[in-house]
Amino acid sequence: ETGVTQSPTHLIKTRGQQVTLRCSSQSGHNTVSWYQQALGQGPQFIFQYYREEENGRGNFPPRFSGLQFPNYSSELNVNALELDDSALYLCASSLIPGQENEKLFFGSGTQLSVL
Amino acid sequence: GQNIDQPTEMTATEGAIVQINCTYQTSGFNGLFWYQQHAGEAPTFLSYNVLDGLEEKGRFSSFLSRSKGYSYLLLKELQMKDSASYLCAVSGGSYIPTFGRGTSLIVHP
Repeated sequence: ETGVTQSPTHLIKTRGQQVTLRCSSQSGHNTVSWYQQALGQGPQFIFQYYREEENGRGNFPPRFSGLQFPNYSSELNVNALELDDSALYLCASSLIPGQENEKLFFGSGTQLSVL
Repeated sequence: GQNIDQPTEMTATEGAIVQINCTYQTSGFNGLFWYQQHAGEAPTFLSYNVLDGLEEKGRFSSFLSRSKGYSYLLLKELQMKDSASYLCAVSGGSYIPTFGRGTSLIVHP
């Protein structure tokens, strides 16, 4: 157990809908990163938040957006869902960005299915 | 950008030793991570290398050669519970790890 919790665990949506995924980071961690993991693939970086500010973004369209709250929990929002958005969405917390050996503590993920 | 390559799948026998390779190309290098991910579960941290050489941690060891853009994860005395996906991740100039597609290791009796 990493102390990182995500909700919901599973979600089914239809094309064009919007979805919000939630993450509570490990106690004491103020950095949250979101990853998308398609079946049989490695996690792909979506974005990272540090102290409520976006601290980096991967190659995802603007319909993927996020928030980090003062308690360092975070949301991932995806608008206009597409079939290819079906994946496991992983949240990972860490202590401080920009550190060499800053390992990530992952939650168990939200499995999103878009029909 | 970054490019990370690792084998898709490997099989090994319980009690044996297996080496999972990872090659990478990156602009800027701030370390290489290995994570283990059991099916349906979250990735968990195994090791970190930033200097050349071998880091040993129990049954698991990780090696890095920065000049060759190469790392391997060595698993000794394999157990059935080691069946999992092993993810190589490189931290580049931004310090944000980029993951490879993972190597699915199947350990059979």
